[in-house]
Amino acid sequence: QVQLQESAPGLVKPSQTLSLACTVSGGSISNAPYYWHWLRHHPGKGLEWIGSIHHSGSIFYTPSLKSRVTISVDTSKNQFSLNLNSVTAADTAVYYCAREGGAPPESWFDPWGQGTLVTVSS
Amino acid sequence: DIQMTQSPSSLSASVGERVSITCRASQSIGTYLNWYQHKPGKAPKLLIYGASFLQSGAPSRFSGSGAGTDFTLTISSLQPEDFATYYCQQSYGTPLFTFGPGTKVDIK
Repeated sequence: QVQLQESAPGLVKPSQTLSLACTVSGGSISNAPYYWHWLRHHPGKGLEWIGSIHHSGSIFYTPSLKSRVTISVDTSKNQFSLNLNSVTAADTAVYYCAREGGAPPESWFDPWGQGTLVTVSS
Repeated sequence: DIQMTQSPSSLSASVGERVSITCRASQSIGTYLNWYQHKPGKAPKLLIYGASFLQSGAPSRFSGSGAGTDFTLTISSLQPEDFATYYCQQSYGTPLFTFGPGTKVDIK
């Protein structure tokens, strides 16, 4: 059974870069036909999709963050990563990684990592 | 972009009550609509996919219906473990995905 686990950077200073990794266990990220995703949940607000990556290199970002976000994959580590630059307090959130299931457009997010809280503060 | 709305934004209900949550898309999305349950400190949990299909392991008291722009999540008999926030999510716009703003269900 596939499981995902986010790394835990915790505190990031304003204007710096938030970097997270998601380690996949129970299956190979490069053998699967799936897209791998990053999402976040702002305190007291809703869920936001950030972007996705396929091991082939196909990448998509949400338009509102596209200028600041980079998602990459490291098949040797069975990981995919998120970099978000020029962070502000508005980027404080619980960040989740997830796998896309199903076959587009009938697809969904399952499973998810447990989530990691990132706080942007000086 | 496809925008999603939900109503109500919150509701209070008693154990055993029947609860319905509505989700509306800004354009027709067929049945490409999923529902998630989110509890504090936990990862969101997929409940319903394809508008009406119950995810393996999800309790049968959860059901989904709808197509086009209007969708409903129903809990037939609310249980104590169901108090959470529920989100709808569209996949019609893949590779871009959007969620509804959520409906918080708490104890009356």
